[in-house]
Amino acid sequence: SAVISQKPSRDICQRGTSLTIQCQVDSQVTMMFWYRQQPGQSLTLIATANQGSEATYESGFVIDKFPISRPNLTFSTLTVSNMSPEDSSIYLCSVRADTQYFGPGTRLTVL
Amino acid sequence: GEDVEQSLFLSVREGDSSVINCTYTDSSSTYLYWYKQEPGAGLQLLTYIFSNMDMKQDQRLTVLLNKKDKHLSLRIADTQTGDSAIYFCAGRDTGTASKLTFGTGTRLQVTL
Repeated sequence: SAVISQKPSRDICQRGTSLTIQCQVDSQVTMMFWYRQQPGQSLTLIATANQGSEATYESGFVIDKFPISRPNLTFSTLTVSNMSPEDSSIYLCSVRADTQYFGPGTRLTVL
Repeated sequence: GEDVEQSLFLSVREGDSSVINCTYTDSSSTYLYWYKQEPGAGLQLLTYIFSNMDMKQDQRLTVLLNKKDKHLSLRIADTQTGDSAIYFCAGRDTGTASKLTFGTGTRLQVTL
């Protein structure tokens, strides 16, 4: 199993600012992902965070808007840049160990 | 890409069984998952099944897989008010970089 923590758990931000979300896992994992869940919606994959190389982004998501770091096998960050109200969502970190686990999420509200 | 469909809402009485259904389009889905999301919380992994299995039981949870019809179901026996949540099915294939594709989610409401 894998236990995932995220910081912050929630935040309210102003339009045009940026927020960095941290994800910490209690064991080393190869595969780490970032998902977005817009209000009342299902989950959409933003990118796969690759250790030691650039993240792999899904269609519709770009590095300038969602820069990701993965400095080691237990930690990753996702930054939501130049935020607008449309970025208000829950952002979830996920890892693949024996199976796939999700963190508690970061609830972001952009005013 | 794969489409995964679920009914949006299910209401059951406490003590009854709940059956949440999921249909998927991609026959290469090898791993199929059920997650639970309570209000304001992240996703809790409930159970998963490999595509070479027809059924998996774990305490009150029973997963049934019909590969021919590409249909997955989650049965919750003796449903309790604490089971009220949104339930997501998700599937992925065997590629190491393969991603989960999520269903639309089913909101389960348990009434007294």
